[in-house]
Formats: sequence, structure tokens, C-alpha cells
Amino acid sequence: GENVEQHPSTLSVQEGDSAVIKCTYSDSASNYFPWYKQELGKGPQLIIDIRSNVGEKKDQRIAVTLNKTAKHFSLHITETQPEDSAVYFCAADTGNQFYFGTGTSLTVIP
Amino acid sequence: DVKVTQSSRYLVKRTGEKVFLECVQDMDHENMFWYRQDPGLGLRLIYFSYDVKMKEKGDIPEGYSVSREKKERFSLILESASTNQTSMYLCASSLSGYGTEAFFGQGTRLTVV
Repeated sequence: GENVEQHPSTLSVQEGDSAVIKCTYSDSASNYFPWYKQELGKGPQLIIDIRSNVGEKKDQRIAVTLNKTAKHFSLHITETQPEDSAVYFCAADTGNQFYFGTGTSLTVIP
Repeated sequence: DVKVTQSSRYLVKRTGEKVFLECVQDMDHENMFWYRQDPGLGLRLIYFSYDVKMKEKGDIPEGYSVSREKKERFSLILESASTNQTSMYLCASSLSGYGTEAFFGQGTRLTVV
């Protein structure tokens, strides 16, 4: 089955700096890669996604890049704010089910 | 607004009890999922369902069963709760088809004592 690895597990950045979270996957059949943000006491919520026919996608301060050849994708958050502090999960969709990374706890220090 | 609702935020149960976790979605989604979330392990799929009365095992189905009698409701059953089932349980739903967003409930934190 699919194996998704996510790094780092924890990340601290100063407010205004950028944060980057990286994921790798193993199954070349995976074609959809969502990113979820989970705030304390809440369920994960989709923040951005990318499909295999696209190399990069941007939504305001958030961007995702995908390298299908290398089987890795990354989340980039620019101009970080304290409200960006949360746990972030990457996932790969094989068409049968989602496989999630182990999560990155991001702390933005004011 | 899209909604996935889990019946309880917090539950405390005794070892050996039969436990029911309920999940309801109001989006007419075909797919429903139950995940377990543990620190350092991410989200692990327990069971999922593509349609009413259909169920498929995920990665960690042992000790669990599910029921989907109606499209909007997906129940997770712990037949005989054990302390190693203490965890956060997350329900999700999505439309059928490839590459569709999964919507999550707020989670149920289950403690088995």
C-alpha cells in the first residue's frame, strides 16, 4: 500500500518568516494530494490541495508544490502569523483511500 | 455549510464495555471513514464505507466493527473496549470519485479505563 512520510514533526518559526513542510509518497498511482490543518480541539480541515497534472498551486500565503518524478510534495506558508499555529497533515489519495502523514506541529512565535 | 457531526466530544468507558461512536453527515456523501489519531502516528484508517451496508477494512480494523444502515450515518463499534483503544477518533466523509475533499468531524476523545 501507499506510504506517506512527513517532515519535520515539529517546526517553530518567528512571525513573518516562512514555513516549509515536506512529504514523500511511494505509490505512483496516487494522483491527489491534499493538505489539512488541525487546530486544537478540532477536526482536520482542508487548506489546499494539488492534483498530479499540476506542479504548483498557490492560495494567498499558502502554496503547494508537487514533483511526481521524485514522489514528493511540499507545503509553503509565507508571512506566518500566530493563527497559523496548528498541526498540519499531508495526504495522498490512491483512489481507494487517503493515506496521511504523521503530522507537523507548527508554532509561530509572535 | 458542510457538516460532519460526531455524537460525543469526550467519552470515558470501562474495559470490556461495548462502545458506539456515531457520525452523521448532511452532505449526501457516498464515502464515509473512521480514523484513529495518536501522537506521532498521524491518522490511521480503521474502516470505510462506499455505500449503505457496504464496508471495507482499513489499516487497523482489529477490535472494531462498523455499521452503515443509512447513507448519512456511519457508526464505529468497539465490541469489547480495551485500554489500548484510548485515542482520538475522527469521522470523515467525501463524495465518490477520485480526488475529492474529505470533510472531518470534530473528533471523539475516548478514554478506556
